[in-house]
Amino acid sequence: GAGVSQSPSNKVTEKGKDVELRCDPISGHTALYWYRQSLGQGLEFLIYFQGNSAPDKSGLPSDRFSAERTGGSVSTLTIQRTQQEDSAVYLCASSFGTGYNSPLHFGNGTRLTVT
Amino acid sequence: AQSVSQHNHHVILSEAASLELGCNYSYGGTVNLFWYVQYPGQHLQLLLKYFSGDPLVKGIKGFEAEFIKSKFSFNLRKPSVQWSDTAEYFCAVGPLRNTDKLIFGTGTRLQVFP
Repeated sequence: GAGVSQSPSNKVTEKGKDVELRCDPISGHTALYWYRQSLGQGLEFLIYFQGNSAPDKSGLPSDRFSAERTGGSVSTLTIQRTQQEDSAVYLCASSFGTGYNSPLHFGNGTRLTVT
Repeated sequence: AQSVSQHNHHVILSEAASLELGCNYSYGGTVNLFWYVQYPGQHLQLLLKYFSGDPLVKGIKGFEAEFIKSKFSFNLRKPSVQWSDTAEYFCAVGPLRNTDKLIFGTGTRLQVFP
């Protein structure tokens, strides 16, 4: 079956521009995560959606970052006024969501390069 | 706040050598523990997980991990590594409540030479 789909796979943007990254989770998965993977930094938690609960935004690094999840499915991560330090691979993951009996399923990520 | 520490950032081994990757976590409650693996060019995938019961858990490809509660550790082991085990390994911790997020360590890059 279809896994977690992220688009675009690669994005090159100029400093100061806004970007939108999209994540299509596995159908029926109620939990959705965004992580950022930078060289030497491991996986940095950004934001977590669980069902209809208010999202956990505690990992967003600045107010230039925001995310939404429409209809409990597709999610968009938006970075405004991009900076060079935003360059990283942005990973989306989803899970069935009741506790941790379902592992996270990761997408292939979006590689963002800010020039 | 919960946190995960992986002290080995880069490990280089020859085939057939034994492997142990360290993982320590900080959280004041019952946790679920995971190891994820990212092979070159592939997405992250679950290697093994601990929820409760036997603290020695076995995963895919001959990997195992032992949960030692008193040491807040969940080290990953494999008796004899193969070249195909070359990958990045991430330890992760998640509290029991399903409203809480999964936190990952910084990862350990394993290179196995034939």
